Amino acid sequence: DIQLTQSPSFLSASVGDRVTITCRASQGISSYLAWYQQKPGKAPKLLIYAASTLQSGVPSRFSGSGSGTEFTLTISSLQPEDFATYYCQQLNSYPRAFGPGTKVDIK
Amino acid sequence: EVQLVESGGGLVQPGGSLRLSCTASGFTFSSYAMDWVRQAPGKGLEYVSAISSDGGSAYYADSVKGRFTISRDNSKNTLYLQLGSLRAEDMAVYYCARDGGYSSAYPLDYWGQGALVTVSS
Repeated sequence: DIQLTQSPSFLSASVGDRVTITCRASQGISSYLAWYQQKPGKAPKLLIYAASTLQSGVPSRFSGSGSGTEFTLTISSLQPEDFATYYCQQLNSYPRAFGPGTKVDIK
Repeated sequence: EVQLVESGGGLVQPGGSLRLSCTASGFTFSSYAMDWVRQAPGKGLEYVSAISSDGGSAYYADSVKGRFTISRDNSKNTLYLQLGSLRAEDMAVYYCARDGGYSSAYPLDYWGQGALVTVSS
């Protein structure tokens, strides 16, 4: 099975900061990676798929990059509504595992 | 507007059974694979099960294989997850999600609000 790790696990940042989250896969998954945002008590929301394609309606301050085993999610200028937990998910094969999550908190 | 609404959650004793339902609207349900993902209290997301658009193929995580059964009724636009032999570690919020394609690289683009399953005596 493909395992995903995320770093950091926790990130404290201020409004306006540039934030980068890394997701690493235990083996190559081409560009078959998605990113989700989850706020407390809510369902996850799809942000990015195919590593770098922005889901319709998602603000352009979110971007994704990477292929193979290393991927990044970048928020160019953190907004108050972006404080949440972010998960990556590999879509290369079953089980389509999620990473452990990165919680972005207010500094 | 795409909507997924889960129901059927609740309190069940260890060893018991429960059936979750997910009613879909706003899209052609029979054209999409569907998935279940769960989240234990304070924990991350765990991929549980998936079913193809016609119901002919299914995937189960090792943690639930042999105990859970995924199914669908395309005439009723409804997805199901039958939970059996429940354990304390199965306690979680269960989300249904639309999947662009079974065994494909499509993401989960719409999610329900979740159904809480509590396993306790």
